[in-house]
Amino acid sequence: AQTVTQSQPEMSVQEAETVTLSCTYDTSESDYYLFWYKQPPSRQMILVIRQEAYKQQNATENRFSVNFQKAAKSFSLKISDSQLGDAAMYFCAYRSPNTGNQFYFGTGTSLTVIP
Amino acid sequence: DVKVTQSSRYLVKRTGEKVFLECVQDMDHENMFWYRQDPGLGLRLIYFSYDVKMKEKGDIPEGYSVSREKKERFSLILESASTNQTSMYLCASSLGTGGSANVLTFGAGSRLTVL
Repeated sequence: AQTVTQSQPEMSVQEAETVTLSCTYDTSESDYYLFWYKQPPSRQMILVIRQEAYKQQNATENRFSVNFQKAAKSFSLKISDSQLGDAAMYFCAYRSPNTGNQFYFGTGTSLTVIP
Repeated sequence: DVKVTQSSRYLVKRTGEKVFLECVQDMDHENMFWYRQDPGLGLRLIYFSYDVKMKEKGDIPEGYSVSREKKERFSLILESASTNQTSMYLCASSLGTGGSANVLTFGAGSRLTVL
């Protein structure tokens, strides 16, 4: 099984500042998909952003962007202009096209936004 | 929007009881998943199903079984609940394709406490 590692169990950021959450993964596959999911307190997990491994361009969704470094197997999430509503647990996930489309998750990073 | 509905948000059961967790999705997704979420461990896959009556073991299937009699419904069964199965259970669904549209949509979760 692929391994996804999030080395920062907790992070904090001042409101309106920028924060970067780290994610690394281990794979021998060349084609795969990467995701960041957000789980607000007591609320449903939702997709934040996705990246196809064959695309060199980093994905962007409004204030959320990724830094995808395929050779380094790194997939960090940058949140710009942080808002109170960004406070949540963030999970990095890997999807393999070769193992029944399974998704593999990291252990999560809990983000606190300080007013 | 796809909706994934989990029948129970909170359950309290006794050791040895049989427990059913139900999950229904309304967008004709091929794949359905059951994950267990524990602090510091992230999401771990219990079982998934890529078609009616089909099931595949995930990383932690011991003590669990599943049923998928209809495409929209995927049930997780604890035959004899134990205290170490106290956890948050997340159901998710996804398209059966291999492309970038194949993302997980989650239910709100079922928090199970086994006494």
